[in-house]
Amino acid sequence: QVQLVQSGAEVKKPGSSVKVSCKASGGTFRTYTTTWVRQAPGQGLEWMGGIIPILGTANYAQKFQGRVTITADESTSTAYMELSSLRFEDTAVYFCARELGGIFDPWGQGTLVTVSS
Amino acid sequence: NFMLTQPHSVSESPGKTVTISCTGSSGSIASNYVQWYQQRPGSAPTTVIFEDNQRPSGVPDRFFGSIDSSSNSASLTISGLKTEDEADYYCQSFDSSDRGVFGGGTRLTVL
Repeated sequence: QVQLVQSGAEVKKPGSSVKVSCKASGGTFRTYTTTWVRQAPGQGLEWMGGIIPILGTANYAQKFQGRVTITADESTSTAYMELSSLRFEDTAVYFCARELGGIFDPWGQGTLVTVSS
Repeated sequence: NFMLTQPHSVSESPGKTVTISCTGSSGSIASNYVQWYQQRPGSAPTTVIFEDNQRPSGVPDRFFGSIDSSSNSASLTISGLKTEDEADYYCQSFDSSDRGVFGGGTRLTVL
């Protein structure tokens, strides 16, 4: 049974970067996609991108191209999402999720990133 | 860009049946499977339907998923509504570049 545990809440200043981690236990980390989804306050779910460690390449939503970097460390079964040039509107809960066969399940508990001056 | 459009909100009484639609913007919604997620306040989403019409174990058979190619839409139907079904529901699929796409979400109120 795969479980995903994310890093804790962050408060960042506009223009800075944030890096959120997602540690997996159970399953075979390197063979499935770890996906990142964000949810702004009171808003819907927004797909950001994903990575399959065994391939080593990430796929990103066009909206975040050039600002987001998704990586994976197979040695620790941990995926990372780094978002740069933060803006106030990047304030959101960031979720990681396993994607297998097109299904996002399970999900991490979410990490609140607050962008504030 | 491929988009999925859902109604913002629906409401129905306990015991009744409600259907939430999810309409694809272009192409064929049948090209990729559609999933449905339930999200309660303060929690991560959970899967209630995958691969258009399959229920994960533990999801009651009151939840039913379907695809209508003629209207390029997917639907989630919940019968015998319970107050515990009150939540936000999201449809999800992929575009032609294997990028994930979510519908805007539908708030279900059971009153």
